[in-house]
Amino acid sequence: NAGVTQTPKFQVLKTGQSMTLQCAQDMNHEYMSWYRQDPGMGLRLIHYSVGAGITDQGEVPNGYNVSRSTTEDFPLRLLSAAPSQTSVYFCASSYSFTPSYNEQFFGPGTRLTVL
Amino acid sequence: ILNVEQSPQSLHVQEGDSTNFTCSFPSSNFYALHWYRWETAKSPEALFVMTLNGDEKKKGRISATLNTKEGYSYLYIKGSQPEDSATYLCAFTGRGSTLGRLYFGRGTQLTVWP
Repeated sequence: NAGVTQTPKFQVLKTGQSMTLQCAQDMNHEYMSWYRQDPGMGLRLIHYSVGAGITDQGEVPNGYNVSRSTTEDFPLRLLSAAPSQTSVYFCASSYSFTPSYNEQFFGPGTRLTVL
Repeated sequence: ILNVEQSPQSLHVQEGDSTNFTCSFPSSNFYALHWYRWETAKSPEALFVMTLNGDEKKKGRISATLNTKEGYSYLYIKGSQPEDSATYLCAFTGRGSTLGRLYFGRGTQLTVWP
């Protein structure tokens, strides 16, 4: 199993550009989520999905879109990049959102810089 | 947005010392409390998922306790080793409309000196 994979590892954008951060898992996990990690702020939830076709907003959803057309993939789209979106982005998955099966498996992260 | 607090923010101990840190969370609508270990330049890895009041979990020299009525969890490391140096995160998930969301604390950064 590759686990949770994220691409790209690093990305530099100019203000106003759009891009998609890719996340895939091969563990047949129902639950997938995106976090951003900023210095002194910890991990903050952007969007999450409890299954294919179902997504919901987290704490900091503005400026980001997601979709979940398959169980395996959960891409995060930046619509019009802003310097405030400079961050490290982590994708995570778990078997389910129910507590006994909710242990999160994290991808390696994408470091995004917006100039 | 739910408030999850961790203390202390950072901790420096000598090899062999035992240490503990705290995670505080809302005591109402509790569903689960997670602990993760996050080494520099790596991704967070799960240590424990705790769901029941009074739960105690153990993995090697690391253990955790849970008090859902008063809204806190303790993580203990017995006989700290340099390889225990990492940031330890807790995350809370609640029932109701927030079900499915994990709210992370800012972490406790542990440094163990040889």
